[in-house]
Amino acid sequence: EVQLVESGGGLVQPGGSLRLSCAASGFTFSSYSMNWVRQAPGKGLEWVSYISSSSSTIYYADSVKGRFTISRDNAKNSLYLQMNSLRAEDTAVYYCARDRKSGYLDYWGQGTLVTVSS
Amino acid sequence: SYVLTQPPSVSVAPGQTARITCGGNNIGSKSVHWYQQKPGQAPVLVVYDDSDRPSGIPERFSGSNSGNTATLTISRVEAGDEADYYCQVWDSRVVFGGGTKLTVL
Repeated sequence: EVQLVESGGGLVQPGGSLRLSCAASGFTFSSYSMNWVRQAPGKGLEWVSYISSSSSTIYYADSVKGRFTISRDNAKNSLYLQMNSLRAEDTAVYYCARDRKSGYLDYWGQGTLVTVSS
Repeated sequence: SYVLTQPPSVSVAPGQTARITCGGNNIGSKSVHWYQQKPGQAPVLVVYDDSDRPSGIPERFSGSNSGNTATLTISRVEAGDEADYYCQVWDSRVVFGGGTKLTVL
């Protein structure tokens, strides 16, 4: 069974940093690209970042470019999102999701809440 | 950047057919995917590649895509189908529509 479990969310002050993790199991993690998607309270889905299976290709939404860094450790079956210079508008539930070749996200984690507030 | 436009809300009576549209420039040339999200839960893929269904998704869920509009059709709507629905394409990155709240009357 495919499982994605996010962790690392919490309350952080504006300007602070946080590192999210996503532990993958039930599939060959090293064969799949992955994404981070977030959802602000009461809002829609917003794509955040993409990383290819080998980490050779990485994309970011303009809203996080230069502040967030996506990475992965295929030996540990883990995906990460390093978030720096956090702003109030980064407050959201962050989901990791597995990517398929035609661009859809077939499995999602349960999400981890990040709250940026003083 | 590519924009996907969905109606904010759609209402339908139980047993009827719900149609949720997703507009985009020449969207018919892209593969469109649809997600269902119930309150407090993660999104679930219900249609991919315009009209394919993942295993476990009822046949009542179907999709089409042509011209500038893609459509998610839910036949014989049930109370349990009440949720937010998002369309999505890949355009050098993942792009989501704004979401449509389906209300079952």
